Amino acid sequence: EPEVTQTPSHQVTQMGQEVILRCVPISNHLYFYWYRQILGQKVEFLVSFYNNEISEKSEIFDDQFSVERPDGSNFTLKIRSTKLEDSAMYFCASGGFWNTEAFFGQGTRLTVV
Amino acid sequence: RKEVEQDPGPFNVPEGATVAFNCTYSNSASQSFFWYRQDCRKEPKLLMSVYSSGNEDGRFTAQLNRASQYISLLIRDSKLSDSATYLCVVNKAYSGGGADGLTFGKGTHLIIQP
Repeated sequence: EPEVTQTPSHQVTQMGQEVILRCVPISNHLYFYWYRQILGQKVEFLVSFYNNEISEKSEIFDDQFSVERPDGSNFTLKIRSTKLEDSAMYFCASGGFWNTEAFFGQGTRLTVV
Repeated sequence: RKEVEQDPGPFNVPEGATVAFNCTYSNSASQSFFWYRQDCRKEPKLLMSVYSSGNEDGRFTAQLNRASQYISLLIRDSKLSDSATYLCVVNKAYSGGGADGLTFGKGTHLIIQP
């Protein structure tokens, strides 16, 4: 069964450092997403990506965040200068059509110290 | 009113019982509705989509009431493995720019007891 894969599973970084979280979406999907979940809180939408550009982004997705699809398979989330409050589980997801369900990767747990 | 609202629980239910969850959403223009399941420290996994006519998948039944902006999930003959957090998820109206993100409720925690 096709699945979304994310690397690394856990990343520890120092405050102020840049991190790149990587994702390989399901191969024939066209819509890509990043979500985050702070421990004990709900899943929050960060950004959606379609046709090589951002479709929508939330208030959380400020100038410190960027996304890229550098080739035909990878989808990355970069946080330029991490803050303590960026510590969370980051989920990548992909979907085949607009307005349909999304399938999630297993997540990257980011810990900023 | 919160975008997607759910009773957080926990719901403690004996094995074999029937349990129902409800969810309300605030955006009347919402187009698509889902129930996801999330186990502790794992990713959300799609349980089922929710259609206006109601739909059933084995022991699970989902209903949508657009007029009341209300979604429900019914689990019959509950099993120990049903213990998880159930997330009510709504897709916003199509904005014409591509894909909109899913809006998640905080989830309802279900514990099935032997």
